[in-house]
Amino acid sequence: DAMVIQNPRYQVTQFGKPVTLSCSQTLNHNVMYWYQQKSSQAPKLLFHYYDKDFNNEADTPDNFQSRRPNTSFCFLDIRSPGLGDAAMYLCATSRDTGARDTGELFFGEGSRLTVL
Amino acid sequence: AQTVTQSQPEMSVQEAETVTLSCTYDTSESDYYLFWYKQPPSRQMILVIRQEAYKQQNATENRFSVNFQKAAKSFSLKISDSQLGDAAMYFCAVIISNFGNEKLTFGTGTRLTIIP
Repeated sequence: DAMVIQNPRYQVTQFGKPVTLSCSQTLNHNVMYWYQQKSSQAPKLLFHYYDKDFNNEADTPDNFQSRRPNTSFCFLDIRSPGLGDAAMYLCATSRDTGARDTGELFFGEGSRLTVL
Repeated sequence: AQTVTQSQPEMSVQEAETVTLSCTYDTSESDYYLFWYKQPPSRQMILVIRQEAYKQQNATENRFSVNFQKAAKSFSLKISDSQLGDAAMYFCAVIISNFGNEKLTFGTGTRLTIIP
């Protein structure tokens, strides 16, 4: 059974039209992450939540926002998508951060965003 | 900040043969964890194998094993008896144990093709 579920798997939007990607988890993990992965590149961490505490990466553009209304759900909002935001967006969870746990992240299948 | 380098963008191996994927990393920390993640086409990324830096013994998981050379900051993955299901993108990653600064840093990946 899928433990980290992302919706939609494929999202097409127009330049500047807001989009929201969702992630849900059945693992009851404390931490939820959003990564951006462009073709042939390493996943890049955008931000993560430790419970309700939001942690933004220094180089994440303001265009990207996130919400975590409860333990199970986390959303990625892209306020005004540009062509450069076309990518795969990966949601991941972990029981704790970093090496205080096994360090293992559990990933969803990703949401592929196309910007026209 | 830590960095991870995978110098082989693509590799191929004959089915049932053995292949080694290379990874080097750089960190000033002494306590950290290393990972190999597998990302099959259109499927979620999953953990293949994990190595704690303080352990000298190389980790093994069935057909997967690592060659961890701490002094050389090298962490290669060996896949024995390659199977068609091993075809995927493989990412090397590192996380340091510095409380409050744990972030999984990925390499750029190696695309592995299995030749029947």
